[in-house]
Amino acid sequence: EAQVTQNPRYLITVTGKKLTVTCSQNMNHEYMSWYRQDPGLGLRQIYYSMNVEVTDKGDVPEGYKVSRKEKRNFPLILESPSPNQTSLYFCASSLSPPPTVGEAFFGQGTRLTVV
Amino acid sequence: QQQVKQSPQSLIVQKGGISIINCAYENTAFDYFPWYQQFPGKGPALLIAIRPDVSEKKEGRFTISFNKSAKQFSLHIMDSQPGDSATYFCAASGTASKLTFGTGTRLQVTL
Repeated sequence: EAQVTQNPRYLITVTGKKLTVTCSQNMNHEYMSWYRQDPGLGLRQIYYSMNVEVTDKGDVPEGYKVSRKEKRNFPLILESPSPNQTSLYFCASSLSPPPTVGEAFFGQGTRLTVV
Repeated sequence: QQQVKQSPQSLIVQKGGISIINCAYENTAFDYFPWYQQFPGKGPALLIAIRPDVSEKKEGRFTISFNKSAKQFSLHIMDSQPGDSATYFCAASGTASKLTFGTGTRLQVTL
């Protein structure tokens, strides 16, 4: 089954404690991205990756890091989480980057709370 | 800066009615306009998409209407059903290799 898998689904952490949210896709997609979803703001892109070892900033990259060492994995790293990073996070992948027509597949989401 | 403005924020429609969600964009370089549907606890999923070379695209009960000169596009859900109750996001993409999403519309279809 084609899917994007995020872990964990839920996470409560304390300010300043480094954390990693993993994302893996089994569709051999080149393009992967991370979004955060906040009420009234929709989905905002954090980082994206066009392929292995190729990453770039999205609209809200501050406080986040990513890496793309393998095609299937695209972890999101919060080195020193702060309460304003409390949000619902989604990883997505697609065969090629927009605007090429093609569906972006989203993971189930990770609800992060930073206290 | 919100490059894709979506309205309304929420919408209540009776079963069998027509649901209409509107989006407006600013960037004339956008040339791909998808709509995503999100159910509670799930990630968004592609519903329907359009390119600006056509003014309308229909897939079942879902239709995108596109007005290039006005820089607006809308989603129409005909014969709305309770199972359509979800949050809908419009999006747009151009040369920047990313999707820019609207703020979302929470649709509730009542019996």
